[in-house]
Amino acid sequence: GAGVSQSPSNKVTEKGKDVELRCDPISGHTALYWYRQRLGQGLEFLIYFQGNSAPDKSGLPSDRFSAERTGESVSTLTIQRTQQEDSAVYLCASSSAYTEAFFGQGTRLTVV
Amino acid sequence: GENVEQHPSTLSVQEGDSAVIKCTYSDSASNYFPWYKQELGKRPQLIIDIRSNVGEKKDQRIAVTLNKTAKHFSLHITETQPEDSAVYFCAASRRGGADGLTFGKGTHLIIQP
Repeated sequence: GAGVSQSPSNKVTEKGKDVELRCDPISGHTALYWYRQRLGQGLEFLIYFQGNSAPDKSGLPSDRFSAERTGESVSTLTIQRTQQEDSAVYLCASSSAYTEAFFGQGTRLTVV
Repeated sequence: GENVEQHPSTLSVQEGDSAVIKCTYSDSASNYFPWYKQELGKRPQLIIDIRSNVGEKKDQRIAVTLNKTAKHFSLHITETQPEDSAVYFCAASRRGGADGLTFGKGTHLIIQP
């Protein structure tokens, strides 16, 4: 693909439900990042995958959040038992060792 | 790990004037410093970057300076225009290293007509 693709672009869910967000990175990019951006706020780091290394999960806000990535391909971010404060845009980015990071268009999550 | 501080959080300048956004970083091994621009409702996009073997880089009205000794770098926008209004993020990383890209908290730049 031409760029980083995220799905869905919008997700409305009821409080307490689980959601799964998907990120398709640019082919060949070894690094993949997840960020959370609340309305009018900055980029809050969640998790970082680099090749086959153990992911850096230091930004995950609680044990309700988890993410997986298979090799250097698709990543999924799962939020269990969603809360209203989880409402935000979730951005994924990918890069290789020698390129800039490219962002996806984000998934806007609304918890009602 | 790396820690990136960015100032100011909001910057308002008159159209035509210059704008400067400053960032500091903590990891002396960081060697790659990109700047991203995020327009309202859009994804962040790279506007300029600098590597640690260079002190300054220019691209038309945009320039970035790097002071490795002091561990700070700055974005300079001259002759500001309304379309420069956006949120700007600085970041730092060890290019080619195992660590990820650490972002500053962003600067909301407002260009006053």
